[in-house]
Amino acid sequence: GIQVEQSPPDLILQEGANSTLRCNFSDSVNNLQWFHQNPWGQLINLFYIPSGTKQNGRLSATTVATERYSLLYISSSQTTDSGVYFCAVVGNAGNMLTFGGGTRLMVKP
Amino acid sequence: KAGVTQTPRYLIKTRGQQVTLSCSPISGHRSVSWYQQTPGQGLQFLFEYFSETQRNKGNFPGRFSGRQFSNSRSEMNVSTLELGDSALYLCASSLGAGQAYFGAGTRLSVL
Repeated sequence: GIQVEQSPPDLILQEGANSTLRCNFSDSVNNLQWFHQNPWGQLINLFYIPSGTKQNGRLSATTVATERYSLLYISSSQTTDSGVYFCAVVGNAGNMLTFGGGTRLMVKP
Repeated sequence: KAGVTQTPRYLIKTRGQQVTLSCSPISGHRSVSWYQQTPGQGLQFLFEYFSETQRNKGNFPGRFSGRQFSNSRSEMNVSTLELGDSALYLCASSLGAGQAYFGAGTRLSVL
């Protein structure tokens, strides 16, 4: 099946810093989503981005499907950005998400 | 409109028991998928139901089963619970393909 790798696994930032999270996938995808998992476990939708670039406030994402990667940019980070960020893809073998291992982000005040 | 609703939020069971979890999708969504999250294995796909039919299944033993009702609500059942079944169980709904939306999850502890 499709493989999804996220980097870095852990990231510590000072408040106000910018960061880039990367997601590599091993095959063509029909769907790619970025999620933020809150402390209670819920996955919050950030972006649905199988290709192209999107922006939402301080967050933006770019997926280059032909090169099989996606990037999530966080600018001017805040302590509330802390948590785990997941990339998940749907390949060609059915409507199921395959998740990467996540990036654990800690933003210090 | 209301989001994905999972009940109960927390469960404590003992080994050998069975458990049923419930998921009500977003109104109009016909696809419901279930995922298991553990510290060791991460987020793994269990199964997907679409219009009351299981459309996809992950690599889990037969103790894990599910069903979907005509109103798109779904239940998953785990029989003969093992300690390793302790996990966060997440349900996602979608129109059929495309963007998935997740519920808050059910945290299951098996003692």
